[in-house]
Amino acid sequence: DVKVTQSSRYLVKRTGEKVFLECVQDMDHENMFWYRQDPGLGLRLIYFSYDVKMKEKGDIPEGYSVSREKKERFSLILESASTNQTSMYLCASSHNWGLYSGLAGRTGELFFGEGSRLTVL
Amino acid sequence: KQEVTQIPAALSVPEGENLVLNCSFTDSAIYNLQWFRQDPGKGLTSLLLIQSSQREQTSGRLNASLDKSSGRSTLYIAASQPGDSATYLCAVGGSQGNLIFGKGTKLSVKP
Repeated sequence: DVKVTQSSRYLVKRTGEKVFLECVQDMDHENMFWYRQDPGLGLRLIYFSYDVKMKEKGDIPEGYSVSREKKERFSLILESASTNQTSMYLCASSHNWGLYSGLAGRTGELFFGEGSRLTVL
Repeated sequence: KQEVTQIPAALSVPEGENLVLNCSFTDSAIYNLQWFRQDPGKGLTSLLLIQSSQREQTSGRLNASLDKSSGRSTLYIAASQPGDSATYLCAVGGSQGNLIFGKGTKLSVKP
């Protein structure tokens, strides 16, 4: 069974703390993503990575950084947490779009973790 | 810039009805389109993935169609059940390798 695992379901941090959110996938996916989800705003892409040590900014990268040292792990870092970063954070992974052709099972389908609800006080 | 819109934002139906959820997108140059389900406080579960070369996909009581030229996709749910109550999101895969999401339709199926 395919799996994306996020390290913490619920976190409470204080303003100014450094926060690490970890995500691990066991499907040998090339792509990994971090989204945040807020009421009325939907899912917004923070960062994504299409290979080890590679990263691309999404729509709202300010205040965040990421690390991908191994293919299966993608970390989101809040260098100095602020109250406006209180949100649900969702990690996802997929194969690269272009690999789906002719390769059984590699469809580019996106799989999500259960989410990490972060509260910054 | 790709924009994805889902209408209506919320829908309430009696159990047993067939229903259609709509998704529209502004840029037809997509790689794929995916429908997800999200239960409150949970992550997203993939329902159906349609590649850009396909017109539809089916899984059980769910059928998703794709019309790239008109920038539309529909998710058809047959014989709805209370357990289908959730938020349904569509997302389109673009050339940059990421997915752009709509804001979802919140479905409530009344017993």
